[in-house]
Amino acid sequence: KQEVTQIPAALSVPEGENLVLNCSFTDSAIYNLQWFRQDPGKGLTSLLLIQSSQREQTSGRLNASLDKSSGRSTLYIAASQPGDSATYLCAIGAGNQFYFGTGTSLTVIP
Amino acid sequence: DAGVIQSPRHEVTEMGQEVTLRCKPISGHNSLFWYRQTMMRGLELLIYFNNNVPIDDSGMPEDRFSAKMPNASFSTLKIQPSEPRDSAVYFCASSWTANTHNEQFFGPGTRLTVL
Repeated sequence: KQEVTQIPAALSVPEGENLVLNCSFTDSAIYNLQWFRQDPGKGLTSLLLIQSSQREQTSGRLNASLDKSSGRSTLYIAASQPGDSATYLCAIGAGNQFYFGTGTSLTVIP
Repeated sequence: DAGVIQSPRHEVTEMGQEVTLRCKPISGHNSLFWYRQTMMRGLELLIYFNNNVPIDDSGMPEDRFSAKMPNASFSTLKIQPSEPRDSAVYFCASSWTANTHNEQFFGPGTRLTVL
């Protein structure tokens, strides 16, 4: 069974700082990896999807990378803003399942 | 498109009662997923459908849980009888293709409280 880990569980940074969120997984046999954002009391919003054949995806200030051989993905957020404060989850698509990490709670301090 | 629609948004019920959660996927999507989110266990996939057919229900916790998808635009998740440990947020998600290869779009969730 795929195990997905996100470290750290919580992160607090000052506004304007660049930051990296980490996601690691145990089995490299994946279809894709997806990064989500979840605001308190809300659903999940898809940020980026990386197919297994890809190395990275970019959207605005966000850049996600995937290294299947090492079982790692990173989400890079440039020039962080208070509106980026949320929980960020990664999810692995593999077989007939999606496996979610427990998320990193990000707080960007004005 | 309105996105994935779930109802109700909040449900409070007493132990032993039947609970029915509803989901309307994004029009044209072929796959539908039901998830449960709790503080203790995070986000868990309960069941998913491809073209209205259940493909993998290995995440359904007990026989008290059942899910149906009578047509491409509607699905239900039923708990009968409900128990306090079923309290959680239940999410529905949909995607374009009939597998786990593509991007998922989530609904706002139903917050269930069983007293």
